[in-house]
Amino acid sequence: QKEVEQDPGPLSVPEGAIVSLNCTYSNSAFQYFMWYRQYSRKGPELLMYTYSSGNKEDGRFTAQVDKSSKYISLFIRDSQPSDSATYLCATPPSGYSTLTFGKGTMLLVSP
Amino acid sequence: NAGVTQTPKFQVLKTGQSMTLQCAQDMNHNSMYWYRQDPGMGLRLIYYSASEGTTDKGEVPNGYNVSRLNKREFSLRLESAAPSQTSVYFCASRETPLRDQPQHFGDGTRLSIL
Repeated sequence: QKEVEQDPGPLSVPEGAIVSLNCTYSNSAFQYFMWYRQYSRKGPELLMYTYSSGNKEDGRFTAQVDKSSKYISLFIRDSQPSDSATYLCATPPSGYSTLTFGKGTMLLVSP
Repeated sequence: NAGVTQTPKFQVLKTGQSMTLQCAQDMNHNSMYWYRQDPGMGLRLIYYSASEGTTDKGEVPNGYNVSRLNKREFSLRLESAAPSQTSVYFCASRETPLRDQPQHFGDGTRLSIL
């Protein structure tokens, strides 16, 4: 079982919709979770990170961790065409030297 | 501020040829990483260097070698390229190998091996 699982999509939504992107993880010892956004032909860039359980909000983006079910979510409110990208979740495994990435979910927001 | 710079951006090789991918960062980061990204496979770690003078294997190191030339530069070498190494290669850096430190990525090298 991969340490971090993510539905590849694509997920297509109309402009203005609320988007929910999700990952599951296998190791209950994981504590830090990151969301990266990757535009076509670009490298991933850090969007948000959260620690342990709870929510973190940044503008239209909210990251949520549910440790009891090993589930992490990224919500995008009032989605825009410029949000069209691949979203990757990531977590540092034991030792923290590296990051384990999910395979990414492609999001398409149509005008 | 350039961040992480990768060269070249594109390259086509023939099977058996060798090549070195270059990566440089100007953020004074201690840790550097090489990934490959393939459709349906996500980002997979090839090698990393937690600090200058150290290198370690990642998930898919076979067929690759790395050199941490100095604090700024981390190169990836394919000694005898194979079609299975056709991929997009990303270099990343991180200030320290601590759990809440994000990785900063370059824009990738697109490598095709015929």
